[in-house]
Amino acid sequence: RKEVEQDPGPFNVPEGATVAFNCTYSNSASQSFFWYRQDCRKEPKLLMSVYSSGNEDGRFTAQLNRASQYISLLIRDSKLSDSATYLCVVGSYSNYQLIWGAGTKLIIKP
Amino acid sequence: GAGVSQSPRYKVTKRGQDVALRCDPISGHVSLYWYRQALGQGPEFLTYFNYEAQQDKSGLPNDRFSAERPEGSISTLTIQRTEQRDSAMYRCASSPQANTEAFFGQGTRLTVV
Repeated sequence: RKEVEQDPGPFNVPEGATVAFNCTYSNSASQSFFWYRQDCRKEPKLLMSVYSSGNEDGRFTAQLNRASQYISLLIRDSKLSDSATYLCVVGSYSNYQLIWGAGTKLIIKP
Repeated sequence: GAGVSQSPRYKVTKRGQDVALRCDPISGHVSLYWYRQALGQGPEFLTYFNYEAQQDKSGLPNDRFSAERPEGSISTLTIQRTEQRDSAMYRCASSPQANTEAFFGQGTRLTVV
């Protein structure tokens, strides 16, 4: 089992719809969680950190479920520009490594 | 600029040659990571530095790969006797400290012919 797992997709979603995807992690000692966005052939860029209480940034909401060991990303009122690959990242204070998922590809269709 | 800078952006080299990839992290960032990324995959960890100390090199594929960060700032990833299978996007990222958000450079696309 991979340490961080994501559904690779692609998720094909009509513009304006709401889409959500999850990321599961295996290390219960994980303490830091992030969602990154990566456009084709570009570098990953931080979308948002995920806090225990969950957090929201505009149309984006991230949640952490420690009991079930997953984090989620919800995108409301999706826009064409949201089309990208979304990477889940998990870190542990017991080491320095950031463990990356393989990414979920999202395609927003007009 | 204030971001992570990598050079060269593109490198084409003949099999058997050595290459050196450079990463200039964000000023003041303690942590520096090297990754390799294949198309359609997440970044694959290669090595990590905390200041100038290489704290983990377990992700380096074999002993042809090495990295250094002698003054705790700029880092160099060196690949000796390159092989075609080394062709990939090599990405560097830095963060203020371990386990905080990482910021990436634009990467170096290495092609071994």
